[in-house]
Amino acid sequence: AQSVTQLGSHVSVSEGALVLLRCNYSSSVPPYLFWYVQYPNQGLQLLLKYTTGATLVKGINGFEAEFKKSETSFHLTKPSAHMSDAAEYFCAVNRDDKIIFGKGTRLHILP
Amino acid sequence: DTAVSQTPKYLVTQMGNDKSIKCEQNLGHDTMYWYKQDSKKFLKIMFSYNNKELIINETVPNRFSPKSPDKAHLNLHINSLELGDSAVYFCASSRDGLRSPLHFGNGTRLTVT
Repeated sequence: AQSVTQLGSHVSVSEGALVLLRCNYSSSVPPYLFWYVQYPNQGLQLLLKYTTGATLVKGINGFEAEFKKSETSFHLTKPSAHMSDAAEYFCAVNRDDKIIFGKGTRLHILP
Repeated sequence: DTAVSQTPKYLVTQMGNDKSIKCEQNLGHDTMYWYKQDSKKFLKIMFSYNNKELIINETVPNRFSPKSPDKAHLNLHINSLELGDSAVYFCASSRDGLRSPLHFGNGTRLTVT
């Protein structure tokens, strides 16, 4: 079975500071990993995904994530936070025939 | 040219009523899903259809019945609504398999009073 854990239900960073959102997964098979973002009153949209190949994955809006098999992690980063990055972020992994989501991390950007 | 569209966006109804939520995707995807997001933002899969065939049916009360008339549509009918059914329901689609990302609709906020 696979599951995903997001550390920190709320993360606050100052505008211009590094963003780091943590995601760890448990897996007995090679995982497919995703990060999604949800803005208020909207559906989720894909930021980036890892299936195979290069372990450093670049996504939209300047975000990237690195798949680290030894640490079973897929943390999301962005070098410089922008006010428009304030949103809910979800890490997801495949399990059996479905995609399982973490509980989400609310990112707050401080002016 | 919305990719995944759901209607209605808001639904307010009383306990015991029956209601439906409609979903359509124009992406040509084979697989469609219903997810439920609770007040704590937790997302849980409810159903998945592939080419009109039910492939995932999570532990959901049988008051919830999905219907897929064709692969571009997946509707959700809910009988005898209860207070605990209040949530945001998201429709999503994906091209094929688990490697393909999910494309979400904007959600239907259901409030049962």
